[in-house]
Amino acid sequence: NAGVTQTPKFRVLKTGQSMTLLCAQDMNHEYMYWYRQDPGMGLRLIHYSVGEGTTAKGEVPDGYNVSRLKKQNFLLGLESAAPSQTSVYFCASSYSTGTRYNQPQHFGDGTRLSIL
Amino acid sequence: AQSVSQHNHHVILSEAASLELGCNYSYGGTVNLFWYVQYPGQHLQLLLKYFSGDPLVKGIKGFEAEFIKSKFSFNLRKPSVQWSDTAEYFCAVKGNRDDKIIFGKGTRLHILP
Repeated sequence: NAGVTQTPKFRVLKTGQSMTLLCAQDMNHEYMYWYRQDPGMGLRLIHYSVGEGTTAKGEVPDGYNVSRLKKQNFLLGLESAAPSQTSVYFCASSYSTGTRYNQPQHFGDGTRLSIL
Repeated sequence: AQSVSQHNHHVILSEAASLELGCNYSYGGTVNLFWYVQYPGQHLQLLLKYFSGDPLVKGIKGFEAEFIKSKFSFNLRKPSVQWSDTAEYFCAVKGNRDDKIIFGKGTRLHILP
């Protein structure tokens, strides 16, 4: 049982390049989230998904796209990377139904992304 | 709109000192409250959570937090800190039927040996 796995762990991009971050969870969680963490800013929600095939915008969605084609995977895409997107990205997942509705989120180890 | 405010951005204590980290939230409804810890270079881990019932909740590693509804507060406490408690601590709030959790900006705790 690996929990939440993020790939890659590190990446350096040039401005304008594109890339996709992958988040995979093996806990059969319905909800999945992408956050970015910047010094002094805490965690800010980029996009989230409440189930397979659904996505929704969070607090800072601009410049990012997401897809949830399979329940266990949640992809975060940067179509044209900008230096302002240099950050540490965390994926999280949680249950949402029944008595497990308000269960806490489980986090991945993060992806450190630098945009030159 | 939901918001979470953590009063202290950076706290420095000596080992064995008592700890209290402040957290206030803004939300017009029933809330669920969390404290997460992030050790250097690691991901966030749940310390404790409050959903309902006893407002004094106990978490892992000797931490506890008290939910005071009238003050919209959920302060984190530990009677005697250890060097290994050096980390960043995040308070978070979730409306009872909301899909999203809102995090505070975090408090960096540095324990001097």
